[in-house]
Amino acid sequence: SAVISQKPSRDICQRGTSLTIQCQVDSQVTMMFWYRQQPGQSLTLIATANQGSEATYESGFVIDKFPISRPNLTFSTLTVSNMSPEDSSIYLCSAVAGGSTGELFFGEGSRLTVL
Amino acid sequence: GENVEQHPSTLSVQEGDSAVIKCTYSDSASNYFPWYKQELGKGPQLIIDIRSNVGEKKDQRIAVTLNKTSKHFSLHITETQPEDSAVYFCAAISGGYQKVTFGTGTKLQVIP
Repeated sequence: SAVISQKPSRDICQRGTSLTIQCQVDSQVTMMFWYRQQPGQSLTLIATANQGSEATYESGFVIDKFPISRPNLTFSTLTVSNMSPEDSSIYLCSAVAGGSTGELFFGEGSRLTVL
Repeated sequence: GENVEQHPSTLSVQEGDSAVIKCTYSDSASNYFPWYKQELGKGPQLIIDIRSNVGEKKDQRIAVTLNKTSKHFSLHITETQPEDSAVYFCAAISGGYQKVTFGTGTKLQVIP
């Protein structure tokens, strides 16, 4: 299994500002992903965080809005840039433990409220 | 692309009764089907999973079944307890996480 720590766990932000969420995994993992979960909704994949290279973004998400870093096999960051109230959501870091056929684990999420 | 339908969206059961949540997927390439439990204010927690070479898997009060022919898989919780109350998500995964698709979630309420 994998234990995934995210911070901040929650934050209240002002419109137009940016916030960086950090994700730390307790073991080296090959795959890390960032999801968004709006209140009462399912999980939507934002991007795959690639170690040492640019993230792979899903349709509807762009690097300028959600820059992602992954400097090594245990750590990644997601920045939510130039925030608006529509960005209020839970952002979840996830990782696959045990190789490409392993299990997908999630962090506890970062709950952002944009005023 | 993959589409995962999950039913019901809400489910209320009396404590001690069984609960069944069903999912249907569309992509034959999907070969891994995990289930997650998400309690209020927390991240999704993996509770059980099944791979396409297995028809059923059980872990204490929780079981999952898979029918590849009909592309259905289900979560079964027996002897439900109030602490089972949460939102449950199914997912269909293909090709070493080439594609991950989640269901829309089921809010389970276990009434004491």
